[in-house]
Amino acid sequence: GAGVSQTPSNKVTEKGKYVELRCDPISGHTALYWYRQSLGQGPEFLIYFQGTGAADDSGLPNDRFFAVRPEGSVSTLKIQRTERGDSAVYLCASSLASQQGYTDTQYFGPGTRLTVL
Amino acid sequence: AQSVSQHNHHVILSEAASLELGCNYSYGGTVNLFWYVQYPGQHLQLLLKYFSGDPLVKGIKGFEAEFIKSKFSFNLRKPSVQWSDTAEYFCAVNPTGGYQKVTFGTGTKLQVIP
Repeated sequence: GAGVSQTPSNKVTEKGKYVELRCDPISGHTALYWYRQSLGQGPEFLIYFQGTGAADDSGLPNDRFFAVRPEGSVSTLKIQRTERGDSAVYLCASSLASQQGYTDTQYFGPGTRLTVL
Repeated sequence: AQSVSQHNHHVILSEAASLELGCNYSYGGTVNLFWYVQYPGQHLQLLLKYFSGDPLVKGIKGFEAEFIKSKFSFNLRKPSVQWSDTAEYFCAVNPTGGYQKVTFGTGTKLQVIP
């Protein structure tokens, strides 16, 4: 079946611009995660959705970053007033369920490579 | 907060050599542990995971990992590597009893020479 998809695969923007990154999770997966991966680093947690609500947004670096998942499926990560330091690969993952104390396998998408000039 | 250390950043092995990649975590409570792999040009995918029970966990493609609680370690092993194992390997930890914030290590790039 289809895996997690992310669009665009690459995004080049200028400093100060607004960008939106989209994630389509695996059908039926209620949990959705956004990560950021900088060069030479592992994925860094940004935000986690259970259904439509953000259950944990503690990883968002500042208020320029925002994410939504209005219908509990597709999610959009929004970055305002982009800075050069935002350049990274943004990864999305989804899993079947998320219960306290039990971690379901996360399935990752291919990522969106964001470059801020 | 939890953290993960992967001490080997880049490992080069010949085919048929044995592999051991180190992973240590820091967290005061119980955890779930994972190894993810990213082959060139592909997505991150789960290699194996430990939740509870037998501390020796077997994963796909002949990989295994052993959870040693006293050492806060979860090292990845494979007795005989193949060229196709060339990839980047990430260790990750997630505390139990909470929602699923997973913390990843910085990764180890493995290069297997034919």
